[in-house]
Amino acid sequence: DGGITQSPKYLFRKEGQNVTLSCEQNLNHDAMYWYRQDPGQGLRLIYYSQIVNDFQKGDIAEGYSVSREKKESFPLTVTSAQKNPTAFYLCASSSDMDPFWPQHFGDGTRLSIL
Amino acid sequence: QKEVEQNSGPLSVPEGAIASLNCTYSDRVSQSFFWYRQYSGKSPELIMSIYSNGDKEDGRFTAQLNKASQYVSLLIRDSQPSDSATYLCAVTSGGNTPLVFGKGTRLSVIA
Repeated sequence: DGGITQSPKYLFRKEGQNVTLSCEQNLNHDAMYWYRQDPGQGLRLIYYSQIVNDFQKGDIAEGYSVSREKKESFPLTVTSAQKNPTAFYLCASSSDMDPFWPQHFGDGTRLSIL
Repeated sequence: QKEVEQNSGPLSVPEGAIASLNCTYSDRVSQSFFWYRQYSGKSPELIMSIYSNGDKEDGRFTAQLNKASQYVSLLIRDSQPSDSATYLCAVTSGGNTPLVFGKGTRLSVIA
């Protein structure tokens, strides 16, 4: 089945710890995105990548890092510099198979501070 | 700063009625417009996309776009309790540029 897989579903971070959220897609999509959602809020863009080995900062990139070494993978690291990491993290991907590049989402990862 | 505005709700409608959800956006060069449905605790699911002025219908859903007024709406006919969710409006200037999301409107369909 084609889709976007995020893991883990739940993640707990200790003070001063870096954690990495996984996002894998087998849709052959070129573009991938990371969003953060806080309770009662819309989605805010953290990072996005339009092509392998390239990525751009979004609106709230501070305290986060990404890599795009493979087309199907776009992991997000939440560093210790991110002081308020508790949120719902959503990964999405899109491609020009539809000329308007609709984005489809994985199931998300909930991150909490221990 | 590109902005997308939605009424946060909750919007309550009786079962079988038409639910009308509205969205305005600030960036005049926006080209593509999407409606996502998000159930509590779940990820957003794409339900409608619209790119040209006018109406686009898909089953019980109709998306309406007016680029001159910078306004996009979603109508849900014959609303069902299973339609109760938060509806997110998202806008992009086109291609693989990231979406800008509104904060969502919470819809409650009362049986």
